[in-house]
Amino acid sequence: DIKMTQSPSTLSASVGDRVTITCRASESLSRWLAWYQQKPGKAPKLLIYKASNLESGVPSRFSGSGSGTEFTLTISSLQPDDFATYYCQQYNSDLYSFGQGTKLEIK
Amino acid sequence: EVQLVESGGDLVQPGGSLRLSCAASGFTFNIFWMHWVRQVPGKGLVWVSRINSDGVRTNYADSVKGRFTISRDNAKDMLYLEMISLTVEDTALYYCVRENLETSLDYWGQGTLVTVSS
Repeated sequence: DIKMTQSPSTLSASVGDRVTITCRASESLSRWLAWYQQKPGKAPKLLIYKASNLESGVPSRFSGSGSGTEFTLTISSLQPDDFATYYCQQYNSDLYSFGQGTKLEIK
Repeated sequence: EVQLVESGGDLVQPGGSLRLSCAASGFTFNIFWMHWVRQVPGKGLVWVSRINSDGVRTNYADSVKGRFTISRDNAKDMLYLEMISLTVEDTALYYCVRENLETSLDYWGQGTLVTVSS
């Protein structure tokens, strides 16, 4: 099974900051990686697919990059609505898997 | 509008069984692969199972293989998860999720809560 590791687990930042979350896979995914945002009490929301493609309706301050085993999610200028938990997820194998999550907190 | 509505979650004793259902609407159900993903409240997302569009091909996480069975009824636009030999570790909110093969998991239901406790 492919293991996904995110870092950091918690990130404190301020409105307007640029933040980056890293996701590493235990084996190559090519570009079959997605990012999700989840707020308390809500279902996850798809942000990025195939490593760098922005889902329709997602603000352009979100971007993704990477391939193989290392990927990043960047928020260029944090907005109050962005404080949430973020998950990466691989869909390269028959058995999907998620990272453990990164909680983005207000500093 | 795409809608996925889960039901069937309940309190069940260890060793018990439960069947979750997911009613899909707003899209052509029989062309999409479907998944179940679970989440212990306050913890991370865990992928559980998936089924292909015609119901022939299925995959399971190691933690549920042999105990859970995913199925679908394309005539009724329904997805199911049959769960047996439940343990306390199966306690979680279970999400029904649609897969778009390009974008991965693009629509999620609101979840149904399964609690395994004596």
